[in-house]
Amino acid sequence: KAGVTQTPRYLIKTRGQQVTLSCSPISGHRSVSWYQQTPGQGLQFLFEYFSETQRNKGNFPGRFSGRQFSNSRSEMNVSTLELGDSALYLCASSATGQGGEKLFFGSGTQLSVL
Amino acid sequence: AQSVAQPEDQVNVAEGNPLTVKCTYSVSGNPYLFWYVQYPNRGLQFLLKYITGDNLVKGSYGFEAEFNKSQTSFHLKKPSALVSDSALYFCAVREWEKGTYKYIFGTGTRLKVLA
Repeated sequence: KAGVTQTPRYLIKTRGQQVTLSCSPISGHRSVSWYQQTPGQGLQFLFEYFSETQRNKGNFPGRFSGRQFSNSRSEMNVSTLELGDSALYLCASSATGQGGEKLFFGSGTQLSVL
Repeated sequence: AQSVAQPEDQVNVAEGNPLTVKCTYSVSGNPYLFWYVQYPNRGLQFLLKYITGDNLVKGSYGFEAEFNKSQTSFHLKKPSALVSDSALYFCAVREWEKGTYKYIFGTGTRLKVLA
């Protein structure tokens, strides 16, 4: 079974631009969550989608948005990029996102904002 | 709100020695606790979880963790460290919020195993 796939692997953008990141979950998984990883801050929860609906959202500004498609693939968008948005963005999938399920993570997209 | 704390940014241990990576938690109710490992340029990989039952949980790659309710701790352990165990380790807790679950991660502990 293929793992969680994130594209692109690396991105370099300048301040003010916008960016879209993509995540393909493990086949059959319907829950996709996104995290921002920065040194010293660990993983910060961005949002979680299940069956095309956002179920939960972290404490990030409205510039961060996402969506999920009928095939469970998910995209994350960041508009009006700021230097502080430079981070590794990870997505994780699970079957339902409930109970004691473990999360399966992609390798991430490393975003650098110049 | 639930939270986890990893008090050590880095832990150094000699190969062959036992290792401990510390995690403390703050939750209401019974906690669901997890450990994940991140190797360079990779995403996180699940190691083990505690939901209920035996306080000593065994996981992947020879790791185990001990749940201690009185000390609100969930330390990760391994009897004999390998150089290949060098990685970034995250403790996490599951939280119920807004009618669904989300996972709160610690800030991570970098484990360095010295040959």
